[in-house]
Amino acid sequence: DAGITQSPRHKVTETGTPVTLRCHQTENHRYMYWYRQDPGHGLRLIHYSYGVKDTDKGEVSDGYSVSRSKTEDFLLTLESATSSQTSVYFCASSLGTSGQETQYFGPGTRLLVL
Amino acid sequence: RKEVEQDPGPFNVPEGATVAFNCTYSNSASQSFFWYRQDCRKEPKLLMSVYSSGNEDGRFTAQLNRASQYISLLIRDSKLSDSATYLCVVNRATGNQFYFGTGTSLTVIP
Repeated sequence: DAGITQSPRHKVTETGTPVTLRCHQTENHRYMYWYRQDPGHGLRLIHYSYGVKDTDKGEVSDGYSVSRSKTEDFLLTLESATSSQTSVYFCASSLGTSGQETQYFGPGTRLLVL
Repeated sequence: RKEVEQDPGPFNVPEGATVAFNCTYSNSASQSFFWYRQDCRKEPKLLMSVYSSGNEDGRFTAQLNRASQYISLLIRDSKLSDSATYLCVVNRATGNQFYFGTGTSLTVIP
């Protein structure tokens, strides 16, 4: 399994507070991704990165920002958490050399916004 | 229209049965195709890639039909341990973005 970790694994926060989730990979993968998974929707892409300081929006990026200052770290920030952002968040990475490669996922972060 | 659509199931099958899942994708520019498996409250993990010529890995067979834009997964001789949600995944290569179906739930019954 690829070495991808996420922290924290669980978090409870209140509406209006900022939250930062961290993803760390040890595979030297170029691409990193943040998804959220909700019942009935499957995995939806929030943001992704194709290199240090290179990021782009995904399908559900409103209310989220990301940063990638090092190859191994990809941070997801909820500037002002809302109850609709209660979800399971997965980070993933891929090598980034072709379109035939696979993604490897972290264990997920369960976020509850009260 | 969603990029990737799957029948959510659930599929409840007895041990030893053969079960098939189908998935359709909307963008003809899609380049690569995968089946992932996700256990309850766990992360998705790659089950197998899907190639145009079809491919087999033990009890699992994946097929791709580009003309009809669908992907299939066949599981033979189902085991209890096959119980999981199976995700169909498509990559357009452009931007290296992956698109996920909502998943098909399988329960194998003793």
